[in-house]
Amino acid sequence: GQQVMQIPQYQHVQEGEDFTTYCNSSTTLSNIQWYKQRPGGHPVFLIQLVKSGEVKKQKRLTFQFGEAKKNSSLHITATQTTDVGTYFCAGSGSARQLTFGSGTQLTVLP
Amino acid sequence: DAGVIQSPRHEVTEMGQEVTLRCKPISGHDYLFWYRQTMMRGLELLIYFNNNVPIDDSGMPEDRFSAKMPNASFSTLKIQPSEPRDSAVYFCASRNSNEKLFFGSGTQLSVL
Repeated sequence: GQQVMQIPQYQHVQEGEDFTTYCNSSTTLSNIQWYKQRPGGHPVFLIQLVKSGEVKKQKRLTFQFGEAKKNSSLHITATQTTDVGTYFCAGSGSARQLTFGSGTQLTVLP
Repeated sequence: DAGVIQSPRHEVTEMGQEVTLRCKPISGHDYLFWYRQTMMRGLELLIYFNNNVPIDDSGMPEDRFSAKMPNASFSTLKIQPSEPRDSAVYFCASRNSNEKLFFGSGTQLSVL
């Protein structure tokens, strides 16, 4: 079945440093979504990427979808303490079912 | 809209007891999902419904778990009998055709 791998599992950064998390799928995806889960909270939708090579930005967050539609990344520029949480990618394959990655837990040190 | 509503927020029970988790999806959403989240296994899809019909329950761990959706505004996930290894956060989520998932606040289940 479809597998979605996400690295790193944990990342500690100093406030102001950049952060990147990577997502790789074992199969070609129809789209990929990103979610953020704050500590003690629930996953909240951030963005969906559909097109090969697509790049989208939300303020300090940049999302990319690979040319082969099998990988994606989320980059945060100049992290802030409000960025703390776990970031999940979720890939949708031919069956249109979302498979979640294991998440990257981001800690931002003030 | 109030979003996806789950109850209870916290449930503490003893091994062997029946547990029922409840979910009210967002009005108009025709897909409903039950996920389980643990540190070891991350977010696991247990079962999902489309228009109140169970479509894929391959993620349900075993026969002790069952889920129903009697109408478009209500779903339950039942564990009978519960075991300590069932301790986790259980999320309900719903979506419409645009595939963006909306999660409820979750139920933190502790089975002693």
